[in-house]
Parts: sequence; C-alpha cells; structure tokens
Amino acid sequence: QQQVKQSPQSLIVQKGGIPIINCAYENTAFDYFPWYQQFPGKGPALLIAIRPDVSEKKEGRFTISFNKSAKQFSLHIMDSQPGDSATYFCAASVAGNTPLVFGKGTRLSVIA
Amino acid sequence: GAGVSQSPSNKVTEKGKDVELRCDPISGHTALYWYRQSLGQGLEFLIYFQGNSAPDKSGLPSDRFSAERTGGSVSTLTIQRTQQEDSAVYLCASSPRRDSTLLGYTFGSGTRLTVV
Repeated sequence: QQQVKQSPQSLIVQKGGIPIINCAYENTAFDYFPWYQQFPGKGPALLIAIRPDVSEKKEGRFTISFNKSAKQFSLHIMDSQPGDSATYFCAASVAGNTPLVFGKGTRLSVIA
Repeated sequence: GAGVSQSPSNKVTEKGKDVELRCDPISGHTALYWYRQSLGQGLEFLIYFQGNSAPDKSGLPSDRFSAERTGGSVSTLTIQRTQQEDSAVYLCASSPRRDSTLLGYTFGSGTRLTVV
C-alpha cells in the first residue's frame, strides 16, 4: 500500500519555467508535509514543509500548495534554474509520532 | 561532526555474506532513522530509534535485517545472508528531538550496497 503517491516520475522544463510536482496521500491523520531535494550522490535535504492549517507556503522560489479536502499537495518552483535539477521527494507523517513516508520521487531537469 | 556520517560509502559483497553499515548522527540528535533507496522506489523506511525508547522496527523487510544504536549515538544496520534484492542505497538520518519531524531530518550521503 503506497501511502503517498507522487507524479510525474520525471519532468523537463526550460530555464525560467515553473515545474509543478504533485503528491496525494491517503491517511487523513497525516499533518506534516515536507519536500526534500536530492542531488546525485547525496542524501535528501529538507526544502520546505507545510502543516494543514494553511493552504500555501512560500520560501524563496519554492511554494507548497495544499488542498486538505482533496488530500493533495504540490511543489511549484518559480523561475527554475539549471541548478534546481535534482530529484524531489514529497513526504508525510503524523508529526512527532511516526517516521516520514516518502513518495517515489520526481527527477527534474531544467535545461538552459 | 557537522553532518550525519555514514560508512562505508560503497560496499560490494557476495551473496550470502553478512554486512554492517554504520551511521554517526549529528551530536545531540536523539532520533535516528534508517531508510533504503532503490531505483524508482523512493525512500523505504526501515527502523527508527528515539532516545532510550524501544526502536520502531516495523519497516524491516525480513529477519535478516537488524539494527542497534549504542549509547544513544552511533547506529549499525546489519544485513545477514545478503541477497541480490538487498542491493540499494542505505540512508541514515537524524533529528534533534522527540517532535522530530517538525524540524526535518538531516540525511547522510548513504552507503551504496551491491550484492553480487
């Protein structure tokens, strides 16, 4: 049973474009939704996170949109750059009580 | 150290052999996690240690897998009688306190295990 479903598997955008990565979850007890960024040969690093009491959170060029009724959340990268090329993982947990459950990842390529 | 340290970075072993993977978490981090990353499969939770509490072993895929954490710091993941399907990158992460998910995990760079 896959608790967090992530799409697309891969994404190619032009520099300056706005890639969007989507995740859907099943467990309504989840109340913490982070995104992680992973470069080749490195471990994932926390990028941005949201709690369900807000519908949107921005940090720099990264924005999370959250739709509690649809049990979906997404990552938008504004003005994408080649340096944003990485694998992105969404995740979810019951904050403080359970380990993070990760999606399968999206490989993003930003081409100049 | 400044980050989570994992060793070895790469390990090639023969099918049927036992392997030990080591994780040194960030000093003072009470929570420690092991995940497995296989191609196209995302990060699969294996085991979670929090302070002196009994570990959450619910993600271990078989009884060939075990882990311990000594003195609340260094952790070792042991895989006995390795199989080819055990080939993956094994990631360790730590976080600073019980309400650890709110602060995010710091991952190591992983151990790439190849079973031949």
